[in-house]
Amino acid sequence: DTGVSQDPRHKITKRGQNVTFRCDPISEHNRLYWYRQTLGQGPEFLTYFQNEAQLEKSRLLSDRFSAERPKGSFSTLEIQRTEQGDSAMYLCASSLLGYEQFFGPGTRLTVL
Amino acid sequence: GQQLNQSPQSMFIQEGEDVSMNCTSSSIFNTWLWYKQDPGEGPVLLIALYKAGELTSNGRLTAQFGITRKDSFLNISASIPSDVGIYFCAGQSSRQGAQKLVFGQGTRLTINP
Repeated sequence: DTGVSQDPRHKITKRGQNVTFRCDPISEHNRLYWYRQTLGQGPEFLTYFQNEAQLEKSRLLSDRFSAERPKGSFSTLEIQRTEQGDSAMYLCASSLLGYEQFFGPGTRLTVL
Repeated sequence: GQQLNQSPQSMFIQEGEDVSMNCTSSSIFNTWLWYKQDPGEGPVLLIALYKAGELTSNGRLTAQFGITRKDSFLNISASIPSDVGIYFCAGQSSRQGAQKLVFGQGTRLTINP
């Protein structure tokens, strides 16, 4: 399968712990996006990379959140000192020309 | 954060019926996208629209990009059980360099066999 993949699919953690998620985009796509989705809502934009450069960050991305795409291929999203309000589905998407964004299956985070 | 106004929020229909849902915004968008999401999965792209007035079909699905560039609708004809899910509209801003998608709240479709 050549779609967007995310790992892990589920993560349960205790409040205050750090977590890291990985996204592997479609291989020829140079644009990569992170979104967060809470129950009953549509996805909300977090951040965007073109190749390895992080070009846009949402105000939702607090200081506890950091994203990287070191070689312009896979990306990681780290949340430090997790809070219960961080519980959500974290979605990654990739795009070739910036129009059609293709999403991965998501990582569901539960913070206890 | 900013979201599009999507309606209806939920629909309960009989198998075989046609479905219509729409999305409106106070802002102009250059691109409208429609996605379907199943429980526990990521959104799957159904249709992409790039020009005001554009009407595009994908099998039983038809979507239109509103003339004002502030709205879009999606129609599903002759619904079948696998159409069940949550449908999201998403718009991409006309601001140069803007890449993020802004999503509606979703329309949950339930089909009675």
